[in-house]
Amino acid sequence: QQQVKQSPQSLIVQKGGISIINCAYENTAFDYFPWYQQFPGKGPALLIAIRPDVSEKKEGRFTISFNKSAKQFSLHIMDSQPGDSATYFCAASLYGKLTFGQGTILTVHP
Amino acid sequence: DTGVSQNPRHKITKRGQNVTFRCDPISEHNRLYWYRQTLGQGPEFLTYFQNEAQLEKSRLLSDRFSAERPKGSFSTLEIQRTEQGDSAMYLCASSFEGQGRKLFFGSGTQLSVL
Repeated sequence: QQQVKQSPQSLIVQKGGISIINCAYENTAFDYFPWYQQFPGKGPALLIAIRPDVSEKKEGRFTISFNKSAKQFSLHIMDSQPGDSATYFCAASLYGKLTFGQGTILTVHP
Repeated sequence: DTGVSQNPRHKITKRGQNVTFRCDPISEHNRLYWYRQTLGQGPEFLTYFQNEAQLEKSRLLSDRFSAERPKGSFSTLEIQRTEQGDSAMYLCASSFEGQGRKLFFGSGTQLSVL
């Protein structure tokens, strides 16, 4: 029940395109859903997050869509840029403790 | 730099040796977390502190692992009698209780056990 499943494992998009990464969870007690961006040799950096009582949150080019009934949430990156190439992790929080998805390696071609 | 600081950045050791890592959290943060990340995987929770109290330890954490946070400031993670399976990135994160869900990670310590 603590698992968070993330897909796809890897994603290639062209510059200016939309990147979409999906996650699903089982434990309905999770109370916060962040997305992290990680570059090689660095720790994960908080990108954007949402609470389960909100269906969508947008910050700049990044949008989280949240479907509580389906227990799914997704990250949309609009106008994807080569600098967005990184590994993205979804996570779910229970009392501040994060359970991470397996990660998606995003490559944005110029 | 006011972010989470971890030292050393890299550690190479021989199997059976003990190693210790240090984490300095963001100064006003009272919660401190340790995670472990292996190649191609998401970070896995190991343990966390609120101030100096260690509140939870993962079942993944064997008896060879011990963490401390004296005086609720910096934290150390010690691995005794290292095994090759301990090779991983060890990440520290901190948060403020009032915003406990927003975790800020350090750059990690990459451990290689030969």
